[in-house]
Amino acid sequence: EAGVAQSPRYKIIEKRQSVAFWCNPISGHATLYWYQQILGQGPKLLIQFQNNGVVDDSQLPKDRFSAERLKGVDSTLKIQPAKLEDSAVYLCASSPRTRQETQYFGPGTRLLVL
Amino acid sequence: GDSVTQMEGPVTLSEEAFLTINCTYTATGYPSLFWYVQYPGEGLQLLLKATKADDKGSNKGFEATYRKETTSFHLEKGSVQVSDSAVYFCALMDDYKLSFGAGTTVTVRA
Repeated sequence: EAGVAQSPRYKIIEKRQSVAFWCNPISGHATLYWYQQILGQGPKLLIQFQNNGVVDDSQLPKDRFSAERLKGVDSTLKIQPAKLEDSAVYLCASSPRTRQETQYFGPGTRLLVL
Repeated sequence: GDSVTQMEGPVTLSEEAFLTINCTYTATGYPSLFWYVQYPGEGLQLLLKATKADDKGSNKGFEATYRKETTSFHLEKGSVQVSDSAVYFCALMDDYKLSFGAGTTVTVRA
């Protein structure tokens, strides 16, 4: 069974530029999560989708971050415009359904904002 | 709110040494507790979990016991290998939301 796929693996941009990350969850997984992992810290949940609906986006900085999950499968996370403090690893995870304890993580996208 | 505090690293050990990583938590409810591991260049993987007090999670020679009285979930392994070099994250799940500790980097030398 293929795992969670993410691309790109690495991205370097200048501040005020835009960037987008893509995630393809495990086939059949209804729930998808985006986490931000700043260096030296644990992952922090940004947004959670159930199929193509948002379950929790309370930690998403909505002035610059947006995410969508069209058709309830893959998802895109966008930052526009990026700030220096957005430098982090962005992790995508999925689980078969919402009220499920085990989440399966992708390899992450490492973003550096200069 | 819920939070997890784990031992700061980095931790450097020789092969076959005993490893322990301390983890304590604060939660209002009765969370499930997890240890995740992140090997170099890879995503987070679930290492073990415990869902109620006094449960012991175990996997790949690692163990952790859910101690409600001390709000702890310390990770232990009796004899580490070079392949155990990774970052280890303690986490709790309350109302199906994960909260992670800051992670502990472990390096095992041959």
